[in-house]
Amino acid sequence: DQQVKQNSPSLSVQEGRISILNCDYTNSMFDYFLWYKKYPAEGPTFLISISSIKDKNEDGRFTVFLNKSAKHLSLHIVPSQPGDSAVYFCAASLPFQGGSEKLVFGKGTKLTVNP
Amino acid sequence: ETGVTQSPTHLIKTRGQQVTLRCSSQSGHNTVSWYQQALGQGPQFIFQYYREEENGRGNFPPRFSGLQFPNYSSELNVNALELDDSALYLCASSGAVDTQYFGPGTRLTVL
Repeated sequence: DQQVKQNSPSLSVQEGRISILNCDYTNSMFDYFLWYKKYPAEGPTFLISISSIKDKNEDGRFTVFLNKSAKHLSLHIVPSQPGDSAVYFCAASLPFQGGSEKLVFGKGTKLTVNP
Repeated sequence: ETGVTQSPTHLIKTRGQQVTLRCSSQSGHNTVSWYQQALGQGPQFIFQYYREEENGRGNFPPRFSGLQFPNYSSELNVNALELDDSALYLCASSGAVDTQYFGPGTRLTVL
């Protein structure tokens, strides 16, 4: 049961244009959403997050939008740069037993930004 | 401020053996979570430790066990290794807020 889905395995954009990465979720109990970037042979690097009570969060070139009614979030990167080429994971935080929070990840989208 | 570190970087084991992976959490973080990432998949939650106690567990069998030490570093132990245990094992630490920060991972190959 895939609770967090990233339906596009890959995305290719030109340098300077906008990259839009999408993520859908099914569990209404998720209270926090995060995007991580991962380069080969490295661990995921935290990029940006959004609380479930907000609909937008912005940090420099990165903006995350949350549509709770549609259970959909997206990451916008403007302008895209070749160094942004990586695998991007959408993750949702779920309150868990014992007061813990676990992250549920999508399968990732590989972004390629062409010069 | 040092980030999350993990050791070893890679290791190769044979089926039935036991393995211990280590993680040092980011300075000031008291919570450590472990994840398994199989090829082509997103990371999957194994368990979480808070102040030396297991605080939550995912759908992994008891042969996956862990420890957290007073300095908040942690170990992941896997007994009776199976071929399907081959994966990247990630450790993440967090403090009072929700964001988890990941280490570089340990690549485990089981032959």
